Formats: sequence, structure tokens, C-alpha cells
Amino acid sequence: DQQVKQNSPSLSVQEGRISILNCDYTNSMFDYFLWYKKYPAEGPTFLISISSIKDKNEDGRFTVFLNKSAKHLSLHIVPSQPGDSAVYFCAASDANQAGTALIFGKGTTLSVSS
Amino acid sequence: SAVISQKPSRDICQRGTSLTIQCQVDSQVTMMFWYRQQPGQSLTLIATANQGSEATYESGFVIDKFPISRPNLTFSTLTVSNMSPEDSSIYLCSARDNEKQYFGPGTRLTVT
Repeated sequence: DQQVKQNSPSLSVQEGRISILNCDYTNSMFDYFLWYKKYPAEGPTFLISISSIKDKNEDGRFTVFLNKSAKHLSLHIVPSQPGDSAVYFCAASDANQAGTALIFGKGTTLSVSS
Repeated sequence: SAVISQKPSRDICQRGTSLTIQCQVDSQVTMMFWYRQQPGQSLTLIATANQGSEATYESGFVIDKFPISRPNLTFSTLTVSNMSPEDSSIYLCSARDNEKQYFGPGTRLTVT
């Protein structure tokens, strides 16, 4: 059973507009969430994270929102740029399982057109 | 942050053979992991590479098929044994440094 779900396999956005990528999780023990970005032929690279004690974290054009009651998080990219076109993975970890690997969703492919 | 390199970056192998993938981290890390990403799928954890002891495998993965070594805190290998076309995938080495995980560029394996 998937503990981290990204239900939209793809998203297309025009340059300059907002991109919103969504992620749901089922394990209430998850307390730290991360977004990774992956270009073809490269490994995933860390983008932004959020701890469960927060509901928002912002870094430049990227903002992650966490709704613990809904077990939902989202990544907002504003404004979107063609270079943002990539696969975005949502990941989660459980502090009680310190040292264990992150659990990943299936990813959402973002395409930003100019 | 940790910088991770993998060798080879890609390979095409015949069924029944084995391939060993090497992973080198530029700093000492406590945790190292191996993931697989099949087309259209998520990053699936194969195992945790434990330094100086046997790896810890996830459900569906066994040591005979995916033997792993981790002789020190910066290096690990994953062997894909007795390969079949179903093993065609991208294999990713990962290292965890506190709360963040870093990934190598991946090894794209095609089994014919």
C-alpha cells in the first residue's frame, strides 16, 4: 500500500503562471516532508522541505504547504519557468524511524511552456 | 551536502549475467541506501547498506539477487545477479545526512 501518493502523473503550465503539485500521505507518523526534482539522466535533487511543526515553508519561487489534518502537502512554484520542467517527487520520513530511508511518491511530471 | 558518484552510468547486459554498481560519497555518511526506479514508477527502496554488516532488505528484495557491500562510510556496491529483462531499471545510490537524502546520478541498466 502506497504511503505517499501523487495522484497527478503530469501537469502542464504556461511560463509565468503558478504550478501546484499535490501530495497525500497515509502514515500519521510521518513528520518531515521533502520535495525532490529530477531531470532525465540525473539523480533526484533536493528542492525544499517542511517539518510537521510548520504549515508553510518558502524558498524563493518555491513554497511548500502542509495540511496535517488532511495529510496533504503541496508545492507551489511561482512564477513557473521552462527550466522547471522536470519530474517532482514528494517524500516523507518518520522521526521515530531515525536513519530509515525516505518514502517516495510516484512523481509528477511538470511541463512549463514558454 | 553530500556529492555522490556512481559507476557505470549505464550498461546493457545479457540475461543471466551479473553487474556490480559502485557508489562513492565525497564525505562520511551514516546511512546509505539503494533504490530502483522502473519506468513510470516511484523510487523503490531495495535495501539499506549497513557499514560492516549485512544489508537490510525491503520486502520483495533478497540478498541472493541483490548482494550489497559497504566496507566503509563512503563506499557501497550493489550487484544485480542473474539478470533478466525485468531488472531493466535505473538504480540509484543514496546517502542520508541528518534529515536530507542525496542521490547519485543513477545507473541505467538494460537487460536483453
